[in-house]
Amino acid sequence: QSALTQPASVSGSPGQSITISCTGTSSDVGSYNLVSWYQQHPGKAPKVLIYEVSKWPSGVSNRFSGSKSGNTASLTISGLQAEDEADYYCCSYADSSTWVFGGGTKLTVL
Amino acid sequence: QVQLVQSGAEVKKPGASVKVSCKASGYTFTTYSMHWVRQAPGQRLEWMGWMNTANGNTKYSQRFQGRVTITRDTSASTAYMELSSLTSEDTAVYYCARARGIWPSYYFDYWGQGTLVTVSS
Repeated sequence: QSALTQPASVSGSPGQSITISCTGTSSDVGSYNLVSWYQQHPGKAPKVLIYEVSKWPSGVSNRFSGSKSGNTASLTISGLQAEDEADYYCCSYADSSTWVFGGGTKLTVL
Repeated sequence: QVQLVQSGAEVKKPGASVKVSCKASGYTFTTYSMHWVRQAPGQRLEWMGWMNTANGNTKYSQRFQGRVTITRDTSASTAYMELSSLTSEDTAVYYCARARGIWPSYYFDYWGQGTLVTVSS
């Protein structure tokens, strides 16, 4: 199955808010509230930020928030900080006990 | 504390197979399923497959069907991912990731450190 579609890059200044979209199909994002988001710094393993579209795992800042409308999920980061500069990936359950990741978005903090 | 420790980097020739291990500690191994995700250099995360560690059932991405095998040794709290018929396009960092939640509401809460597999003649 094809990767979920994310913008290749986004940018913002410290203190601002940015939103990263994640577009799938009716076989994945559109059919299930099972989207999670991951942050990955260079050379490091991913870290979960959001699960089930909008829930926070223990220890994750509420500056990260998630939502979904139709086939598109979104991650919003508010109060941008320098350490938020990283790659971000969405992931969705995709029928038949499989999962699919997005193409990834590089966030630059200006 | 929960840890997933993977085996070391591998260099393989085209056509060969590679087997990566992922040793879990800090929790009951059979309580959480284990997934495998890979990342080619500069590329996106790619989901490969998963195992229900309690009963050994597996499911693989169609992209890797027939080439990937996920197994486990419950006595050693270790999961394995074997990929066969390697080509240069399989050069990537391979991660194991523990899935938290109740199927299918999984998310990946702990990850191994990654294992670099290089395929080169």
